Amino acid sequence: GAGVSQSPSNKVTEKGKDVELRCDPISGHTALYWYRQSLGQGLEFLIYFQGNSAPDKSGLPSDRFSAERTGGSVSTLTIQRTQQEDSAVYLCASSSKGQRYEQYFGPGTRLTVT
Amino acid sequence: GENVEQHPSTLSVQEGDSAVIKCTYSDSASNYFPWYKQELGKRPQLIIDIRSNVGEKKDQRIAVTLNKTAKHFSLHITETQPEDSAVYFCAATYGNQFYFGTGTSLTVIP
Repeated sequence: GAGVSQSPSNKVTEKGKDVELRCDPISGHTALYWYRQSLGQGLEFLIYFQGNSAPDKSGLPSDRFSAERTGGSVSTLTIQRTQQEDSAVYLCASSSKGQRYEQYFGPGTRLTVT
Repeated sequence: GENVEQHPSTLSVQEGDSAVIKCTYSDSASNYFPWYKQELGKRPQLIIDIRSNVGEKKDQRIAVTLNKTAKHFSLHITETQPEDSAVYFCAATYGNQFYFGTGTSLTVIP
């Protein structure tokens, strides 16, 4: 079946602009995660959605970052007034609660802020 | 919250030798410990995982051990092959929030 997809694959934006990153999780997966991976670094947790519950936003680095998940499926990560330090690969992952918690990752969006 | 430390950050081994990567965690409530492999330019993929009620798990050339008392777990790769070259990430979790280590870049020299 189809895996997790993300769009765009690459995004170059000017400092101060807003960007939207999209994630399509695996159909039926109730849990969705956003991570940020800076060059040569590990995975930094950003936000977690589980079903219709309130999202866990504890990893968002500033109020310029926000995310939505509509209809329990597609999610959008929005970064307002982008800064150069926002440049990174943004990874989305989904998992099926009740399974062994394996996360399936998308291919990521490489964001470059110039 | 949980804090996961991973060592070493880089590791080079000769083909056929073993590789060991170690992680420590801080929250004794963590009960699930997956390992992900990320090849260059690709997405992370789960290679093996272990739960807190198990001390060791093996899958062909890959094994993971867990010491709950000491709060550390390790990935062991035996008979390494060039295709094992990648970045490996450990993680610890309870509930659904995952805390990842900073990664180990493994190079297997033919």
